[in-house]
Amino acid sequence: ELKVEQNPLFLSMQEGKNYTIYCNYSTTSDRLYWYRQDPGKSLESLFVLLSNGAVKQEGRLMASLDTKARLSTLHITAAVHDLSATYFCAVDSNYQLIWGAGTKLIIKP
Amino acid sequence: GAVVSQHPSWVICKSGTSVKIECRSLDFQATTMFWYRQFPKQSLMLMATSNEGSKATYEQGVEKDKFLINHASLTLSTLTVTSAHPEDSSFYICSARDTGAAHQYFGPGTRLTVT
Repeated sequence: ELKVEQNPLFLSMQEGKNYTIYCNYSTTSDRLYWYRQDPGKSLESLFVLLSNGAVKQEGRLMASLDTKARLSTLHITAAVHDLSATYFCAVDSNYQLIWGAGTKLIIKP
Repeated sequence: GAVVSQHPSWVICKSGTSVKIECRSLDFQATTMFWYRQFPKQSLMLMATSNEGSKATYEQGVEKDKFLINHASLTLSTLTVTSAHPEDSSFYICSARDTGAAHQYFGPGTRLTVT
């Protein structure tokens, strides 16, 4: 059974700092997704990572995938308040998504 | 980009009544749609996978007679919560997978409150 673990589950940080959210998964998969969710809203797709070594960047967010280690990271550079949200990773398992528990990120001005 | 709509965006109903939620893919055909529910401060929980023209596949613990899913066309799936109870109050999110692609596109969600 595929399991997905995210850590940390909660992160409070100051603007301008860097931090990384980790997503570990238990069995082989060739697709990993990162989503953002604002309170009361649905999910916004951030990144799709399809291969080992894949790295994608959008603004202050950068995601990477190491399929051998079964690990993806979401790195936040010089955080700003607008990035406050809950971030989920999800791993594809036969076209179903297995979800991490989410990381609630609070960025203080 | 691919857009998925849900209707209604929020609904309040009384215990014992039924509520229908629609999920539409607006600019692509979706062979498969997924229904999730999300409780406050929790992750998404997959309820069922809906394939056009066939019966939905429900996840363990999800009552198929309570949560009726119909996927009659390549652009529309519906979830009907029958005989709703307060414990059914939740945020329901659908997603649709573009035929021939692996990516899922998410609807904006429907917040159901059962009084």
